[in-house]
Amino acid sequence: NAGVTQTPKFQVLKTGQSMTLQCAQDMNHEYMSWYRQDPGMGLRLIHYSVGAGITDQGEVPNGYNVSRSTTEDFPLRLLSAAPSQTSVYFCASSYGLGTGELFFGEGSRLTVL
Amino acid sequence: GQQVMQIPQYQHVQEGEDFTTYCNSSTTLSNIQWYKQRPGGHPVFLIQLVKSGEVKKQKRLTFQFGEAKKNSSLHITATQTTDVGTYFCAGRINYGGSQGNLIFGKGTKLSVKP
Repeated sequence: NAGVTQTPKFQVLKTGQSMTLQCAQDMNHEYMSWYRQDPGMGLRLIHYSVGAGITDQGEVPNGYNVSRSTTEDFPLRLLSAAPSQTSVYFCASSYGLGTGELFFGEGSRLTVL
Repeated sequence: GQQVMQIPQYQHVQEGEDFTTYCNSSTTLSNIQWYKQRPGGHPVFLIQLVKSGEVKKQKRLTFQFGEAKKNSSLHITATQTTDVGTYFCAGRINYGGSQGNLIFGKGTKLSVKP
């Protein structure tokens, strides 16, 4: 079991570029989510999904898109990167919304110049 | 939106001293979880509390859930350098029978001086 796998671990972008952060889990979890972590701000929910084909917005969704075509994968897309999106991004999964603990990936550190 | 407040933001202790972090919510929580994030690492689940007044222990760590299910605390006895990291609480609100997403506190960063 690999758990939750995120790629890439590090990425530098220029303002206006687009990119996708990949997240995959092999635990057959229905719930997957993306958080961003900024100094002093804790973990803020960007988007989440309660199953394949279902996504919803979290606390800070602007500038990000997600899709969930399979149970395993939940990519996060930045369509036009901005310096304000410089952050550490964590993907997390659990058996279901409201059920059990969150399993986090190792994180992706993104810098937007 | 709903918030979970966590204090203090930082705590510096001498090895062997005790440490406590507190979480408060303005809304009754259905449950609360605690996570630990080592420097440079990712959050790792420690425990979940569900019942009013619940107390759980893990070796030197004691977790409490308030009677009103609006506050919680994590207490570490006799800190060690391995306790260094940021501790997050995360509360869940029940919306008319449906469970919501976890709402994370901003975390308490613990440093331990040997």
